[in-house]
Amino acid sequence: SYELTQVPSVSVSLGQMARITCSGEALPKKYVYWYQQKPGQAPVLIIYKDNKRPSWIPERFSGSTSGTIVTLTISGVQAEDEADYHCLSADISGTYVVFGGGTRLTV
Amino acid sequence: QVQLQESGPRLVKPSETLSLTCSVSGYSVSSGYFWGWVRQSPGKGLEWIGSLSHGGTTFYNPSLKSRLTISMDTSKNHFSLRLTSVTAADTAVYYCARNGYYDTGGPAYFDYWGQGILVTVSS
Repeated sequence: SYELTQVPSVSVSLGQMARITCSGEALPKKYVYWYQQKPGQAPVLIIYKDNKRPSWIPERFSGSTSGTIVTLTISGVQAEDEADYHCLSADISGTYVVFGGGTRLTV
Repeated sequence: QVQLQESGPRLVKPSETLSLTCSVSGYSVSSGYFWGWVRQSPGKGLEWIGSLSHGGTTFYNPSLKSRLTISMDTSKNHFSLRLTSVTAADTAVYYCARNGYYDTGGPAYFDYWGQGILVTVSS
């Protein structure tokens, strides 16, 4: 079965840059979506179609792609950015939704 | 404003059937978009369960397909999840969500989510 791979945890200091990656064979052909999830809350969509940001999401959140790896970058990390981050995409056939295992960002 | 709310039993016995309903307000389930279910076991990541198109086509996680049914009631503007023969491994927070779709017809991202409901499988 198709999988998306994320590192389990990333630690960064306040104000620094955080990079969270998601890798998968089909990513050159399928969009990635990023979600932020805080404890006890539902996930929130923060990046869609690889690098587009909803208007209500702070500009410090951005997405980029390079082949089979997609990266979520948080510039100038704030304390409130401490959360779990999940990537979502689809298998190459576009039939199944797949989530990455999630990355816990510690500030 | 699109809102979703999960409802159903919070405790299910092993081997029995888990049934949840997602009530949707602010958008008609028959107007467009897909509608899906996602779960999260305690301390774990998100797992896609399955999705249902506004036309009634279903897409299921292969690992759950043999036990899973997702359906829609347009008159009540809600959709439902039915998972049979549950075990402790099915204990999770279950989320319903509005599901975008690809031009090729398959499910894609989730934009609006319910708050989630914790379902525990235990005797």
